[in-house]
Amino acid sequence: DSGVTQTPKHLITATGQRVTLRCSPRSGDLSVYWYQQSLDQGLQFLIQYYNGEERAKGNILERFSAQQFPDLHSELNLSSLELGDSALYFCASSSTGGAGYGYTFGSGTRLTVV
Amino acid sequence: AQTVTQSQPEMSVQEAETVTLSCTYDTSENNYYLFWYKQPPSRQMILVIRQEAYKQQNATENRFSVNFQKAAKSFSLKISDSQLGDTAMYFCAFTPGGANSKLTFGKGITLSVRP
Repeated sequence: DSGVTQTPKHLITATGQRVTLRCSPRSGDLSVYWYQQSLDQGLQFLIQYYNGEERAKGNILERFSAQQFPDLHSELNLSSLELGDSALYFCASSSTGGAGYGYTFGSGTRLTVV
Repeated sequence: AQTVTQSQPEMSVQEAETVTLSCTYDTSENNYYLFWYKQPPSRQMILVIRQEAYKQQNATENRFSVNFQKAAKSFSLKISDSQLGDTAMYFCAFTPGGANSKLTFGKGITLSVRP
């Protein structure tokens, strides 16, 4: 157990639907990062939060949004889902606002859009 | 923008042998950090090794070591005495560090260890 908890582990939904992925960072970590892993694109950075504030944004679609709550857990909301959104979504956390010491990853949420 | 390139999509090695996985990167930063992550079939991303660019000494972690060539912007991972449990996808990653920095990953290499 890495200490980073992601739920659910698997999610199957239909096109056009909306889902919420949840992440609880490792105890004491203030930064949360979201990544999308698909077969042909590798690990793509989506967004970073630090202590409740958005700090960096990557290749995140407008249909996707995220937030970090006062208890530091984070949620990634995906709406108007398309077949191409099927992927493994990772949450990672770090104790600082930067990545110099690397991340601790959760076990991921496997999203399948049918 | 920083880029990380892993040009070998797949490699195979006999158990107990040594294998080297290649990674190159592009950056204009002078100080930065490099990582290798392992992703076994369980999908969990596991940190294998970390290297600080300002340290000339190559990092080692048990059977895992790196060959860091700063001028060539090369960062290869050597796995000695390969074990079946080393079968996984391996990702090279880069970050300039500092506030709001993130990891940029290569596309990964699939390593198979043959019994």
